[in-house]
Amino acid sequence: KQEVTQIPAALSVPEGENLVLNCSFTDSAIYNLQWFRQDPGKGLTSLLLIQSSQREQTSGRLNASLDKSSGRSTLYIAASQPGDSATYLCAVDRGSTLGRLYFGRGTQLTVWP
Amino acid sequence: NAGVTQTPKFQVLKTGQSMTLQCAQDMNHEYMSWYRQDPGMGLRLIHYSVGAGITDQGEVPNGYNVSRSTTEDFPLRLLSAAPSQTSVYFCASSPPFRVSGELFFGEGSRLTVL
Repeated sequence: KQEVTQIPAALSVPEGENLVLNCSFTDSAIYNLQWFRQDPGKGLTSLLLIQSSQREQTSGRLNASLDKSSGRSTLYIAASQPGDSATYLCAVDRGSTLGRLYFGRGTQLTVWP
Repeated sequence: NAGVTQTPKFQVLKTGQSMTLQCAQDMNHEYMSWYRQDPGMGLRLIHYSVGAGITDQGEVPNGYNVSRSTTEDFPLRLLSAAPSQTSVYFCASSPPFRVSGELFFGEGSRLTVL
């Protein structure tokens, strides 16, 4: 079974800080890794998807990297804003059983003005 | 495009009742799945489908039934509701994993079983 861990569980930072969220997984034979954002009472919104042949993806102030060999991914948020406050989740599949995704429990981010 | 649509958004059931959570997507995605989200547990996969007529179990399938007769729809049936099934349920869809695999989620269905 694939185990996904996200550290830290919660993070509170002042506006403008650059920050890093971490995701680790136990089975490196993955096909995709995705980062999601979830606002309270809402569904999940896909932020970045990294396929196994890629090392990183960028979208605006967000950059996600993937190191399959060490079973780690990081989500870098530059110049954080209060609107970035949300829970961030990572999810991986398991290459041998495509279609089954495993989620971490998320990092709850608060960015205060 | 509506994306992934879930109904109902809220539901209260009594123990032993049955019901169906509806999920529809208009993106012609082959892959559809159901997750439940519980405090402190993260999202856990209930059932998934890689195409019409094909379904498979996820991590927590007991007490739930699914079918996939069309590409667009993937209903989740609770056979005999139990308080342990109180949760928020999310439906998701994506293109084939070897093409993209980017998941699109519905807004969720909050179920309370008394």
